[in-house]
Formats: sequence, C-alpha cells, structure tokens
Amino acid sequence: DADVTQTPRNRITKTGKRIMLECSQTKGHDRMYWYRQDPGLGLRLIYYSFDVKDINKGEISDGYSVSRQAQAKFSLSLESAIPNQTALYFCATSDGQGETYEQYFGPGTRLTVT
Amino acid sequence: GQNIDQPTEMTATEGAIVQINCTYQTSGFNGLFWYQQHAGEAPTFLSYNVLDGLEEKGRFSSFLSRSKGYSYLLLKELQMKDSASYLCAVKDSNYQLIWGAGTKLIIKP
Repeated sequence: DADVTQTPRNRITKTGKRIMLECSQTKGHDRMYWYRQDPGLGLRLIYYSFDVKDINKGEISDGYSVSRQAQAKFSLSLESAIPNQTALYFCATSDGQGETYEQYFGPGTRLTVT
Repeated sequence: GQNIDQPTEMTATEGAIVQINCTYQTSGFNGLFWYQQHAGEAPTFLSYNVLDGLEEKGRFSSFLSRSKGYSYLLLKELQMKDSASYLCAVKDSNYQLIWGAGTKLIIKP
C-alpha cells in the first residue's frame, strides 16, 4: 500500500464549483504540505501544516483553503474554482524529527477547471 | 528574492555520463535536495547535501559548494529509464523547500 494517497487522481470541474482534494498518509509524519505544479514552473507551496493545530499559508494560498482533520489527513479546497487553477496537485509529508526533513509525495491529482 | 536556476532540458546518450547543474540564491541555507520525477508521476528523493563535497550513491552523485551557491547531480552509465525531470530544491532559513523548475533529461539510444 502507498504511504501517501490522494483522491481523486483526476478531476474535471466547471468554473465556480467547490472542489476538495484529499490526502492521507500512513507514514506517521507530523508535517504535511500541498503543492501545485504547472508546466515550466517549479513546485509551488500552497499550504503546510506542522501538526493538527498548526496551519500556515504558503507562497500561493489565495483561492485555496485547507483542513487538517487528523495527523494523517490533510484536505485542500478550492472554494470557487477558476481555469487558472488547472494544474497537477501534490500532497507531501515529512518527519519533523528527522534530520533532513525529506518530503514524501503522493501520486498527485490532475485537476482541470473548464 | 529566492531563486533556483537549472537548465530546462538536456539530452544525453545511453551509457554516457551527464551533469545537471543547479545554482541558488535563497534566504538562508539548510540543505539541498535532488528529486527525480517521471512524467505525470510524483517526485522521488535522490539525494541530500548539507555540507560541501560529493555524496555518491550508486550511479548517482551529488555535489555541493555552499560558498558558490552551486550544486550538481551526476548520473553515470545512463539508462533509458533515467529519462525524467530532475528537480533541485533548497531548504531555506525557515526550513521550507524552494524548488527549481526542473531539468528534463532526454536519453537517446
């Protein structure tokens, strides 16, 4: 079984709809992240959470919100989707007690907003 | 501002050696990562450097010079499966990862 899972894997939605992307992990890590990836650009951080009660905005949080329901679950919501939110979205985790803080990624969700 | 630069695309021949460079300007430095990403898939960890010098791991090696803000990833004995994008990321003073746009490596027979 995969350590970091994301649902759905693919989603097509219309402008103005509310969308939730879900992430679950079995690695026991305390830190979780949401990124988006666009062609020609690096991974950009949307939100991150160091534990259940700690949520922080990343580089590009406008238009997004998150919920950390439990240590193992971190959801990303698009309140009112717009076409320029079409991208590949990755969830990642890391161990806050580890030496390197290496991040482990889920398989990604490909979101298309029409 | 924070900036990570790496070439957009490189081409190499199966069995050869290729070096992918990464230069960075960040607010603080707490380590540099290299990740591999096959098209449409998740990035996977390759290497981590926090001190100057060369780290070798099988066919892959990574070098760091903190004074020059420079790193490279060296891939030896290239195989077709090495065709992928290679992402350089720096952990800044807040322990956040700043990512480069990635280098797409094309391997030709």
